[in-house]
Amino acid sequence: QITLRESGPTLVKPTQTLTLTCTFSGFSLNTSGVAVGWIRQPPGKALEWLALIYWDGDNRYSPSLKSRLTITKDTSKNQIVLAMTDMDPVDTATYYCAHRLGVNSGYGHWGQGTRVTVSS
Amino acid sequence: SYELTQPPSVSVSPGQTASITCSGDKLGDKYVCWYQQKPGQSPVLVIYQDRKRPSGIPERFSGSNSGNTATLNISGTQAMDEADYYCQAWDSNTAGVFGGGTKLTVL
Repeated sequence: QITLRESGPTLVKPTQTLTLTCTFSGFSLNTSGVAVGWIRQPPGKALEWLALIYWDGDNRYSPSLKSRLTITKDTSKNQIVLAMTDMDPVDTATYYCAHRLGVNSGYGHWGQGTRVTVSS
Repeated sequence: SYELTQPPSVSVSPGQTASITCSGDKLGDKYVCWYQQKPGQSPVLVIYQDRKRPSGIPERFSGSNSGNTATLNISGTQAMDEADYYCQAWDSNTAGVFGGGTKLTVL
């Protein structure tokens, strides 16, 4: 059974760096083809694709946010970490991590999401 | 950057077929998946690789993708299908992008 759980601060101040951790079970990031991504959703708005990391460490970022995002993995801890710099109130959202089924497949398993508010 | 366009809302009567479109430049050359999201819940994958259904997803959900448009069809729509639906495409350069979402209302 695949599970994912997001954790991190619920409140950050403008200009600070947000660091979120995704802790997962039920699969290994050492397995070829496996990928885990981050997606966010501002209140009442649409899903926004953020970043993806592959089993081999390769990664992809949203073009509009690429300069602010870093995604890394710690295979020994079964964790994925997303860092987003220079936070702004418009970054207030629920942040999800999700497991991708396979190459060119969808995110078949999602965490419950973690709400992050950016405010001074 | 690549963009996907969905209608903001679609209405359907119970038992009828709901069709939700997703448009993008040469979308038919990419793989598309669809998610259902109910209020306060995480999204659920209902279609991947254009037309495949994950385990546990009812057969009434189907998908297609050709030209510039992908379509999610829900046949025999039920009240439980009322939700927001999002398309997502995989692009070899940018990896992933979501559409703006469609609110499906079952009247």
